[in-house]
Amino acid sequence: NAGVMQNPRHLVRRRGQEARLRCSPMKGHSHVYWYRQLPEEGLKFMVYLQKENIIDESGMPKERFSAEFPKEGPSILRIQQVVRGDSAAYFCASSPSGVWRGHTDTQYFGPGTRLTVL
Amino acid sequence: TQLLEQSPQFLSIQEGENLTVYCNSSSVFSSLQWYRQEPGEGPVLLVTVVTGGEVKKLKRLTFQFGDARKDSSLHITAAQPGDTGLYLCAGVRAGGTSYGKLTFGQGTILTVHP
Repeated sequence: NAGVMQNPRHLVRRRGQEARLRCSPMKGHSHVYWYRQLPEEGLKFMVYLQKENIIDESGMPKERFSAEFPKEGPSILRIQQVVRGDSAAYFCASSPSGVWRGHTDTQYFGPGTRLTVL
Repeated sequence: TQLLEQSPQFLSIQEGENLTVYCNSSSVFSSLQWYRQEPGEGPVLLVTVVTGGEVKKLKRLTFQFGDARKDSSLHITAAQPGDTGLYLCAGVRAGGTSYGKLTFGQGTILTVHP
């Protein structure tokens, strides 16, 4: 069973360009989570999606960032008009369900996309 | 202010020594996970603890969840160079509906010298 897949693994963009990060969850998983790891900081929650629905976007910056998880295909994290401060590692995680026996289901992480903004 | 305070941030020890990493909070967590992350890779789950006072063992690693579910510890016995890496605790706060929102500690960078 393949793990969570993310692509690209490395992405270089110039200021003002758009960045699209893709995440394919593990087979059978319908819940996807995006986290950001800034240099010298820990992982920070961004958004939680289920197929075609955004469940919790409380960690998403108010502007330029959006996420989707369509019925078919991977989840996409989109960053418009990137700035240098967006340079970070972006991790996607997936789980089979959101809750299991009353607790958050285990989240399995992908290898991440390292975004560098020049 | 960090919701989950992890300590120490750096740990450098000799092969064969024992060590403990702590994860503390003033908030109650419904569950807590420990991950290990290698450079250039994503976090890999080591264990999940959900019951106050719970102790889980994974070979030379022992994980404990505090009785009040506000803290956790990771103890490694007879550390080996292969244990070197970044160890992260993460949890979901109890109450509310934030089931998917993992809060991470800052991490502990462990280096085990041969």
